[in-house]
Amino acid sequence: DAKTTQPTSMDCAEGRAANLPCNHSTISGNEYVYWYRQIHSQGPQYIIHGLKNNETNEMASLIITEDRKSSTLILPHATLRDTAVYYCIAAGNTGGFKTIFGAGTRLFVKA
Amino acid sequence: SAVISQKPSRDICQRGTSLTIQCQVDSQVTMMFWYRQQPGQSLTLIATANQGSEATYESGFVIDKFPISRPNLTFSTLTVSNMSPEDSSIYLCSVTGGNEQFFGPGTRLTVL
Repeated sequence: DAKTTQPTSMDCAEGRAANLPCNHSTISGNEYVYWYRQIHSQGPQYIIHGLKNNETNEMASLIITEDRKSSTLILPHATLRDTAVYYCIAAGNTGGFKTIFGAGTRLFVKA
Repeated sequence: SAVISQKPSRDICQRGTSLTIQCQVDSQVTMMFWYRQQPGQSLTLIATANQGSEATYESGFVIDKFPISRPNLTFSTLTVSNMSPEDSSIYLCSVTGGNEQFFGPGTRLTVL
């Protein structure tokens, strides 16, 4: 799996958009970009994933650059409950894939 | 989606003893994964458990220390053997479903 690089921590004001960047310059053509988050004392939770196109679901939007070397997770209206560690992962989507976690970004949403 | 439960949710153990953690999934799955999360750290994959075959361990993890059972498609156990304080961690069970992985709530282990 390709290595990903994320900032260690970020702050965001409640109600504002949180934009979390991720670099994955060695991503291969068949690897997807996945985002998970881990709220304190809980197991990780899937957020979104994509291959080439931008994706949106009820939780977030994922913007992937055209060269696929980086991406941004957008939480459009951050709330205090979005305070968590966010993990960006590049992995193949073969049905039985294992997820290898990096260090992640600790997002603090402040009132 | 998959709902995963783990037992125990937490335990405090003496060094030199062993603890077996149980993972139950509400649906049949081919592959189950065991992770460790040391205090303040990210998750580290310990091993992948397939039903009917021996588990596949990641670098740095060995079967003698972390034996795994996978008796059927909905259940697995991870044993932490001959524990030391360095084994104090959260241990999480995980399965894949569709395009994502689902994680259990974790077992918080403290070794004194």
